[in-house]
Amino acid sequence: KQEVTQIPAALSVPEGENLVLNCSFTDSAIYNLQWFRQDPGKGLTSLLLIQSSQREQTSGRLNASLDKSSGRSTLYIAASQPGDSATYLCGGSGAGSYQLTFGKGTKLSVIP
Amino acid sequence: DGGITQSPKYLFRKEGQNVTLSCEQNLNHDAMYWYRQDPGQGLRLIYYSQIVNDFQKGDIAEGYSVSREKKESFPLTVTSAQKNPTAFYLCASSLLTGSYNSPLHFGNGTRLTVT
Repeated sequence: KQEVTQIPAALSVPEGENLVLNCSFTDSAIYNLQWFRQDPGKGLTSLLLIQSSQREQTSGRLNASLDKSSGRSTLYIAASQPGDSATYLCGGSGAGSYQLTFGKGTKLSVIP
Repeated sequence: DGGITQSPKYLFRKEGQNVTLSCEQNLNHDAMYWYRQDPGQGLRLIYYSQIVNDFQKGDIAEGYSVSREKKESFPLTVTSAQKNPTAFYLCASSLLTGSYNSPLHFGNGTRLTVT
């Protein structure tokens, strides 16, 4: 059964710092990987989707990459801002599946 | 604007009562999903449906039931058989593209408290 680990579980950084969040899958055959943001008491907001033919995606200050040989993904946030404070979750699916398996998330706090 | 609407936002029930959570989407998505989120745990899949009048169990379906009578709607019933029903419930939807590369969209969740 696929399991997803997100490291670190929590992270506190000063405003302006660049940071990296990590996500790893026990089964490295990840076909579709998505990074989400969750604010307290809210649903998940999709940030980036890495499709099967891709290795990375960028949106503004965010960059996500997927190493399919190891089943590891990173989310890079440049020049962090207090508004980036939230929990970040990764979810992945294997070939032939639409169902995502999720990690427990990384809670990010950006200190002004 | 298109999106997923979950209602109510907060729901309180007495133990032993069944309760139904609503999920409606106007994104014209084929597939719909129910996830449960507990503190310190990842999202766990309860049920999913890829087509009207058909649905499949996820990892933790015991004590739950669903229906998919319309493409836009996927209500979840939490029955009295669910041992630990208090949780945050999230509904999601996606297109079925055939290439399995379809982003998942989420509603804002329903927080259910059973006492």
